[in-house]
Amino acid sequence: EAGVAQSPRYKIIEKRQSVAFWCNPISGHATLYWYQQILGQGPKLLIQFQNNGVVDDSQLPKDRFSAERLKGVDSTLKIQPAKLEDSAVYLCASSLFPGGTGTSGAYNEQFFGPGTRLTVL
Amino acid sequence: DQQVKQNSPSLSVQEGRISILNCDYTNSMFDYFLWYKKYPAEGPTFLISISSIKDKNEDGRFTVFLNKSAKHLSLHIVPSQPGDSAVYFCAASPHTGTASKLTFGTGTRLQVTL
Repeated sequence: EAGVAQSPRYKIIEKRQSVAFWCNPISGHATLYWYQQILGQGPKLLIQFQNNGVVDDSQLPKDRFSAERLKGVDSTLKIQPAKLEDSAVYLCASSLFPGGTGTSGAYNEQFFGPGTRLTVL
Repeated sequence: DQQVKQNSPSLSVQEGRISILNCDYTNSMFDYFLWYKKYPAEGPTFLISISSIKDKNEDGRFTVFLNKSAKHLSLHIVPSQPGDSAVYFCAASPHTGTASKLTFGTGTRLQVTL
């Protein structure tokens, strides 16, 4: 089974430029997450999709960040314009359903992609 | 506001010995706790979890202990192996049945030496 795919793996841009990241979740996974991991910190949830609808975007800086999942499959995260403090690894994850546990009570695991390392100069 | 804390940024353990990684949390609404393992240039992978109704969960060499009164959990790895060298993240969720937002700690880098 193919895992979560992300591209590009690395991106270097100058501040005030725009950048976009792409994520293709595991086939059949309805829930997709974007996380930001700043160096020395744990991943922080930016946005969660259930199919093509937004479940939680409370920590997404909406003045510069946007994300979409138009067909309920792959997703793009955009930053426009980028700031120095946006330098981080952007992780995409997917899970079968949105809850912490499935109907059987088993943990609903989030599977992570390898991430995109963004450097803003 | 760091709701999940891993106060040890790094830990070095000899192969065959026990590794103990600690995690503290402040939010009383958390009722599900997880450990993720991360190798360089890879995404985190799920390792083991525990519900707040339990105080221990074991999976092979990995055991997680939860002390709700102290708001503390720990991950024990016995015996430690060189392949266990990675960054370990503790994570917590306030829900288990609905949309569950994971809050991660800052991670502990474990190095298992020969």
